[in-house]
Amino acid sequence: SQQGEEDPQALSIQEGENATMNCSYKTSINNLQWYRQNSGRGLVHLILIRSNEREKHSGRLRVTLDTSKKSSSLLITASRAADTASYFCATVRSGGYQKVTFGTGTKLQVIP
Amino acid sequence: DTAVSQTPKYLVTQMGNDKSIKCEQNLGHDTMYWYKQDSKKFLKIMFSYNNKELIINETVPNRFSPKSPDKAHLNLHINSLELGDSAVYFCASSQDGQGADYGYTFGSGTRLTVV
Repeated sequence: SQQGEEDPQALSIQEGENATMNCSYKTSINNLQWYRQNSGRGLVHLILIRSNEREKHSGRLRVTLDTSKKSSSLLITASRAADTASYFCATVRSGGYQKVTFGTGTKLQVIP
Repeated sequence: DTAVSQTPKYLVTQMGNDKSIKCEQNLGHDTMYWYKQDSKKFLKIMFSYNNKELIINETVPNRFSPKSPDKAHLNLHINSLELGDSAVYFCASSQDGQGADYGYTFGSGTRLTVV
């Protein structure tokens, strides 16, 4: 079954606002990754957070990880129209055979 | 300088035909992948090759056959195309064996439409 589930499925905000997307997963993970996909393009790796980390920053991106709740959130601050895209979380299971599994994504629309 | 390039970008073909999608990466990565993204945006791994050796072969019909002539290339050949094969196919590569430590670099996708 699918490992990562993003929430919400779609999000529409005004430029300048913050956008928060959540990812929940079911099994123990080694790390969790966030990707962005612009319409008609491939996925772009944004940030990776390991299971022993709780928070990570990259520019306007902030990712948190709560392994006790098996969830992660991606915060985009001061959003721009160019942030309009689908955002996916990908989990890497811990132990045994590692495999990266993607969720179905959150579609973010930033209105200028 | 495209890191992972795949061709063609669009492919429209009739049922029953055989087609190929090509992928090349210039990142020096050892591992390459094929992913299928369906109409609901769900990404599912199909194959993974590490230095020309098949290491992941998910439950994909044997009409799909990957070929890796060298570690910079991973092509996907599909026989007897069916309507359900319509999707976007992504090639990707990673520095480590499973994309686990550094993530993937994706190509821009091939939109396959079977009519």
